[in-house]
Formats: sequence, C-alpha cells, structure tokens
Amino acid sequence: GAVVSQHPSRVICKSGTSVKIECRSLDFQATTMFWYRQFPKQSLMLMATSNEGSKATYEQGVEKDKFLINHASLTLSTLTVTSAHPEDSSFYICSARGLDEETQYFGPGTRLLVL
Amino acid sequence: QKEVEQDPGPLSVPEGAIVSLNCTYSNSAFQYFMWYRQYSRKGPELLMYTYSSGNKEDGRFTAQVDKSSKYISLFIRDSQPSDSATYLCAMSEVANAGKSTFGDGTTLTVKP
Repeated sequence: GAVVSQHPSRVICKSGTSVKIECRSLDFQATTMFWYRQFPKQSLMLMATSNEGSKATYEQGVEKDKFLINHASLTLSTLTVTSAHPEDSSFYICSARGLDEETQYFGPGTRLLVL
Repeated sequence: QKEVEQDPGPLSVPEGAIVSLNCTYSNSAFQYFMWYRQYSRKGPELLMYTYSSGNKEDGRFTAQVDKSSKYISLFIRDSQPSDSATYLCAMSEVANAGKSTFGDGTTLTVKP
C-alpha cells in the first residue's frame, strides 16, 4: 500500500524559533499533499492543500506567513512553522492524495511542543 | 452545530463483541463516506470508503450509509484488542481527497 512518512516524529522547541516538518510519499508520486492539525481528542482540521510546483492553498483562518508550505517535488512537501509560540503546539499530520484522487494516505504525524 | 457529529465515547467492549460506531451529518450533499482508524500518536489509516447509500463489507468490518437519515455506521465483528483505537468518520461532497469533513472520533477499547 501507499506509504507516507513524516519527519521528525516529535520536536520540542523554544518560543520564537522556526520548525520544519517534512512529508514524503515513499512509493508513489503525489501531486497533491494536505496538511492537517489535530488537537487532543479533536478531529483533523485541514490547514492547507499543497500542490507540486505551485503555491499552497490555505484554509480560512490559517496564516500563510505563519505556516509556510513548499512542495518542490512529487514526493516531498514541507511545512515550516515560523516564529513558533506555545499555542502552535499540536499534532501536525500530512497526507498525500492517491492516483485515483479520491483517497488520501496519511503520514504518522509530528508532535510539536513549543516551550 | 457541527456538520458531522460523532459520539466521542469512550467505548469499552470485551473481546469478541460486535462494535457499532456511528456518525450523523447535516449536509445532504455529502456523497462519499470514509472510516479511518487512528492509533495513539499515529496518523489515520483508511478502513472503508463508500459512495452513496448502501453497505460495504471488508473482512470483519461493515460500513453502512443511510443518506435518507444522514447516518453512517461502522460495524466491527469479533472485535480484537488490536482494534483498540480512535475511529474517525469522514465525508465529502466530491471525490476529492482533502475536501473531507471529519468527525471528532470515537475512542474504542477492546478488553481481552
């Protein structure tokens, strides 16, 4: 089956620093990847849609200058949380859309803790 | 009111029990319905994918969609401790992954 990896799996950083999270599709090419945020005991909230070679599309209320997304290749998308603050602490999950465009395969998630 | 409502549980059952997980929704335009399983500190894994109303079976899992009632269910037969996880329902208007609306998830524990 399709495999999506994320790195790092968890990160702890100081307030004000920037953190980069990588999302890779390991055995298929993904022209579209998605970035989600999930708070404890809550559902996935779509942050942005990342398209290879073009600018990401952000959902309403998500600051594009705060959450920088780059999708430079068909197998890699990155999310950079700039000037992170404690309220940015969350579980960030990426997914990659399959060839059928109907299904998505999720990465294992990255737990971010900002002190 | 949320577009998708899901009982958060927690739900605890003995091994071998039949489990019923449910979601209701308000958007009548939803046509695609998914169930995901999410283990603690992991990303969701697609279990079932259904288009429109009807039933779909895959091993011990059966998904049911009743669009007239705006109600979907996931049944797990002969539940196992390895089924212990959070189950998320998701649905969308179009066949476009990423445009899904997710429920908050139901946490299931299957006790040996």
